[in-house]
Amino acid sequence: GEDVEQSLFLSVREGDSSVINCTYTDSSSTYLYWYKQEPGAGLQLLTYIFSNMDMKQDQRLTVLLNKKDKHLSLRIADTQTGDSAIYFCAERSPGGYNKLIFGAGTRLAVHP
Amino acid sequence: GAVVSQHPSRVICKSGTSVKIECRSLDFQATTMFWYRQFPKQSLMLMATSNEGSKATYEQGVEKDKFLINHASLTLSTLTVTSAHPEDSSFYICSARGGTSGANTGELFFGEGSRLTVL
Repeated sequence: GEDVEQSLFLSVREGDSSVINCTYTDSSSTYLYWYKQEPGAGLQLLTYIFSNMDMKQDQRLTVLLNKKDKHLSLRIADTQTGDSAIYFCAERSPGGYNKLIFGAGTRLAVHP
Repeated sequence: GAVVSQHPSRVICKSGTSVKIECRSLDFQATTMFWYRQFPKQSLMLMATSNEGSKATYEQGVEKDKFLINHASLTLSTLTVTSAHPEDSSFYICSARGGTSGANTGELFFGEGSRLTVL
């Protein structure tokens, strides 16, 4: 079945790098996503990676994909207090409607 | 990116009443919209997939008679919580697959969410 797992909490110092990890189970997933949710708000797509890629970089964000281990990570360089939020990993289900399956979310806390 | 708007953002109602939440795609046509429910400090639980002009497809365990979904146009889907009870209190989020880029990458654009509190 489909399942996405993430660690629930990460605390980093401002200016350091943050690495949020995610594992998924469906090897046929075509796209994997990272979404950000700020308190009381909806989800904002940060970035995505196609399954035939190993890495994708977008400004301060770097996504690494290890398809063999079904492991996805999001690295945020020079983490700022405005990065404090919940980060959700999601995989695109290859079934009907291509629905997204979300992990439980990792709460990132950035302290001075 | 594509914009999805939900209304109302917050609603408080008495137990036994029905509440309607609207989800609109503002700058694109969304043939498919998804309704999620989020419990405090938990992930998003997919409730149903809504396709324009047809019946919604509900996930296992979601009561279709309690959570009525209507997708009458390409820009509007509604979720009606019928005979709401305190256990229905939650954060409901809609999303839509956006435009041509969304069709290729499967990217979903999310509404701001609607917080329902049933007294």
